[in-house]
Amino acid sequence: DQQVKQNSPSLSVQEGRISILNCDYTNSMFDYFLWYKKYPAEGPTFLISISSIKDKNEDGRFTVFLNKSAKHLSLHIVPSQPGDSAVYFCAASAFSTASKLTFGTGTRLQVTL
Amino acid sequence: ETGVTQSPTHLIKTRGQQVTLRCSSQSGHNTVSWYQQALGQGPQFIFQYYREEENGRGNFPPRFSGLQFPNYSSELNVNALELDDSALYLCASSPGQVNTEAFFGQGTRLTVV
Repeated sequence: DQQVKQNSPSLSVQEGRISILNCDYTNSMFDYFLWYKKYPAEGPTFLISISSIKDKNEDGRFTVFLNKSAKHLSLHIVPSQPGDSAVYFCAASAFSTASKLTFGTGTRLQVTL
Repeated sequence: ETGVTQSPTHLIKTRGQQVTLRCSSQSGHNTVSWYQQALGQGPQFIFQYYREEENGRGNFPPRFSGLQFPNYSSELNVNALELDDSALYLCASSPGQVNTEAFFGQGTRLTVV
């Protein structure tokens, strides 16, 4: 049972445009959400997080939106840069299970010139 | 401030053997988690240690075991290796147990032949 889903395995965006990566979850106990970026041969790098008491969090070019009623979150990258090309993972945790993270399967983002 | 480091980076083992993977957590972090990432999948939670005690476990058999030491470094041990254990093993440390970012090492690529 995939509790965190990233339905788009890949996304291609032109440099300078907005990249929107989507994530859906099924477990209503999840109350903390994170996005990680992963380059080949490296571990995931933390990007941004959001608590369920918020619906938006911004950090520079990265903004995460949370829609609790739809159990959906998205990561916006504006403007997209070639160095953003990587695999992006959405992850979720629940207070009751400490900081155990449940990950999606990832979306590969390609930013083209 | 040093980040999370894992050793070794690559390892080849024979089916039935045992393996020990090591992780040094980020300075100031008392919580360590281990994840298994199979090809094309997101990381799957194995278990978490907080102050030397196991504090949560995913759906992995008992032949996956671990330790956390007083300096918060950690080991993952896998007995009776199977071919399906071939994966990237990731260690993550965090400053607390609940709703906090986890910072990952570069991983150990284990191949079982």
